[in-house]
Parts: sequence; structure tokens; C-alpha cells
Amino acid sequence: NAGVTQTPKFRVLKTGQSMTLLCAQDMNHEYMYWYRQDPGMGLRLIHYSVGEGTTAKGEVPDGYNVSRLKKQNFLLGLESAAPSQTSVYFCASSWGQGNQETQYFGPGTRLLVL
Amino acid sequence: SQKIEQNSEALNIQEGKTATLTCNYTNYSPAYLQWYRQDPGRGPVFLLLIRENEKEKRKERLKVTFDTTLKQSLFHITASQPADSATYLCGDTGFQKLVFGTGTRLLVSP
Repeated sequence: NAGVTQTPKFRVLKTGQSMTLLCAQDMNHEYMYWYRQDPGMGLRLIHYSVGEGTTAKGEVPDGYNVSRLKKQNFLLGLESAAPSQTSVYFCASSWGQGNQETQYFGPGTRLLVL
Repeated sequence: SQKIEQNSEALNIQEGKTATLTCNYTNYSPAYLQWYRQDPGRGPVFLLLIRENEKEKRKERLKVTFDTTLKQSLFHITASQPADSATYLCGDTGFQKLVFGTGTRLLVSP
């Protein structure tokens, strides 16, 4: 099993450009998450999904959109990239939420917005 | 606001010693906490979970404690090895919570 994979690994964007980050999991997990990680800020939840066709906002959702058309995929979109969105983005998945639900993280996507 | 806080300064210890990392929470009481390990350029990996009604949890050389009076969880690595060098994250992944600390970097020197 590949676990959680993310595409691409690294990307450079110019301000105003758009892009989509792809997350895929092969563990049949219901829940999927997008985080960003910045120095001194830790992991912050952007959006999450509790099942196919559902999405919900996390702590820092502004400037991002997501879609979960298939259970195994969770897409994160940046419609008009800004330098403040320079970060490392992590996708994670879990069976559910609660005290038994370990999160499995992908390797991350490093995004630089110039 | 509800926060989970970890010491942002790196912890440097010698091989063979016990490393102790701290996770403090403020303005709320998590039902449980999870600890993750993160290596440079990689995603976090789950290590241990402890519930608020559990005083202590162990896994091999790892031990986690949960003190609801001090509002604190401690993460211990006994007989530390250079391979234990990494950043350790504390998080509350409870229902509709999903809050992580900033992580503490541990450096174990030979």
C-alpha cells in the first residue's frame, strides 16, 4: 500500500496563478484533511472532508477551495495564489475522528509563491 | 482561544539519556492527546495516544503522561539514540478540533 500520496512535491507559482494539489489515499479512509505548516505556526487545518462529496472549513480556509469527488482523492485548489500561501502543505487521512483515529500523513507539497 | 503549546526551542541531549518533551494546553481540556514524529522533509508519523483518564501510556522506549491538573502531557524517550533526532508534535485530533502544537525539535548527540 502506498498510504497517502501527494502531487506535486514542489511547485513555484507567480502571484495570481492558480493550481491544484492532489492527495490520494489507498486505505479506504472516510476522513481526509489538508493542513499547512509554517515555521513557528505548526500544523493548521485548512479544510477537511468526512466522506465522499462532503467538505468543511478548518482554521485557515480563506484563499483555498477543496473537492472530494471520489473517496480516495482530496483536491486543494488555490484560485489566485498569494505570497502568504507560501508553505508546506500536508494531506492526511483517517478512518474517522475521535480518540481512536490516527491520522496518516502524506509526504507534503512545498509551494513557493513569488 | 484554545491552544496547544510546545517548547519551540530545540532540546539537545546525549545518547543514552532520557529525553522529556512538554505539551501544554490552555483554555480547554482535551479528551486525549496524540504524539507524532516528524523528520525533515516528511509528513508526521503517529507514535502514541493518551486519554485524559489515563495517567501513563508506554510503547517500547516511549512513554507519555497526561496530567489534567497541570494541563500538560509529557513525552519521554528513554535510552535515547541519534536516530531519535526529529521534531515531535503534540496534537488534539478530537471531533471537530484538530489542533497541533508547533513541535519540539530533539537532537540526540552520540
